[in-house]
Amino acid sequence: SYEVIQPPSVSVSPGQTASITCSGHRLGDRYVSWYQQKPGQSPALVIHQDTKRPSGIPERFSGSNSGNTATLTISGTQALDEADYYCQAWDSNTYVVFGGGTRLTVL
Amino acid sequence: QLQLQESGPGLVKPSETLSLTCTVSGGSFNSSYFWGWIRQPPGKGLEWIGIIYYSGSTYFNPSLKSRVTISADTSKKQFSLKLTSVTAADMAVYYCARLVANWGYVDSWGQGTLVTVSS
Repeated sequence: SYEVIQPPSVSVSPGQTASITCSGHRLGDRYVSWYQQKPGQSPALVIHQDTKRPSGIPERFSGSNSGNTATLTISGTQALDEADYYCQAWDSNTYVVFGGGTRLTVL
Repeated sequence: QLQLQESGPGLVKPSETLSLTCTVSGGSFNSSYFWGWIRQPPGKGLEWIGIIYYSGSTYFNPSLKSRVTISADTSKKQFSLKLTSVTAADMAVYYCARLVANWGYVDSWGQGTLVTVSS
């Protein structure tokens, strides 16, 4: 079955750029979305269709997807961005696949 | 504003069937969306369970497929999950969700409901 792999944790200093990767075989052929989840809350969509930001999501969140890797980039990371982030791949054969999640620590 | 609300027993005995219902308000079942279930064991990551299309077609996580049924009652604006033969490994927060059909992303989540498996 198809899998996507995320690093368990990423650390970043406030104001710096955080990059969270999501890797899978020919992931660039699939649509990737990213979700932010804070403790006790439902996940929230931050990027869809590889690069698109829903309304209300700050411009500092951006996404890319090519080859075997998708990346969520948070520029000028703020303390409130500290959360778990999940990538999700979609295609019409395997449908929904989630990565294992990455805990972003802002320190 | 779309709202999704899960309902069902919070405690299920091992080997029995977990049943949850999601009530949709502020939206409609149409070809633009899938409706689905996603779970999250305590302290762990998200796991896709399955989805249903407005036509009634269903698609499941291969690892759960043999135990899962998803159905919808469009007149009541509800869709439901049944998971048979539960074990402690099925203990999780269960989320219902709406997925945008062409690109498969979740644009709306329920608040989640914790289901405990215990005798």
